[in-house]
Amino acid sequence: QSVLTQPPSVSGAPGQRVTISCTGSSSNIGARYDVNWYQQLPGTAPKLLISGIGSRPSGVPDRFSGSKSGTSASLAITGLQAEDEADYYCQSYDSSLSGWVFGGGTKLTVL
Amino acid sequence: EVQLVQSGAEVKKPGESLKISCKGSGYSFITYWIAWVRQMPGKGLEWMGIIYPGDSDTRYSPSFQGQVTISADKSISTAYLQWLDLKASDTAMYYCARQVMVAGPAEFWGQGTLVTVSS
Repeated sequence: QSVLTQPPSVSGAPGQRVTISCTGSSSNIGARYDVNWYQQLPGTAPKLLISGIGSRPSGVPDRFSGSKSGTSASLAITGLQAEDEADYYCQSYDSSLSGWVFGGGTKLTVL
Repeated sequence: EVQLVQSGAEVKKPGESLKISCKGSGYSFITYWIAWVRQMPGKGLEWMGIIYPGDSDTRYSPSFQGQVTISADKSISTAYLQWLDLKASDTAMYYCARQVMVAGPAEFWGQGTLVTVSS
């Protein structure tokens, strides 16, 4: 059971917009710790996609954006492309555990 | 160029010990935290713990406290993850990752080390 809750899967057609939710609690997202998002392509290491509120590392397209409200956060992907098919994880810091916590991951399928 | 290069895949038997490594290059190794993350087959990411090589300050997830040891040798810019008594349930991919702050994101990741524990 992950501390952060994500939907197991989402899907969308090329060009569409999809969102992935991440629900936490008052000891992590609700405590105003940043929520970070990672993309993991099949057979590869995770890659930082979004850090904090919408900060994208160099090379990450602006089709990816993050938002946060209360104890929840969301990752939005617009203009869906076949290459976006991957697993996506949210991550935050938890003050009661004194360490990172991850969501269970969401598998994005591009139809 | 920042790089984290991990040691190669390992196949071990239950009860054996193991130490895997993560060598940093292209940056000041002692001024960034190194985290270890487990990914069991077909499962999600789990944070195991973190070390600051500058002073060896180490924190563990409650789930992994006492099960593994995280260490670092700053003279060779290398962090380690060690088991003394492997179990079949330790079979997983293990990643190291660099971060600026304990609560910060992992900006760079190693390529992963696959550990297989089987009799």
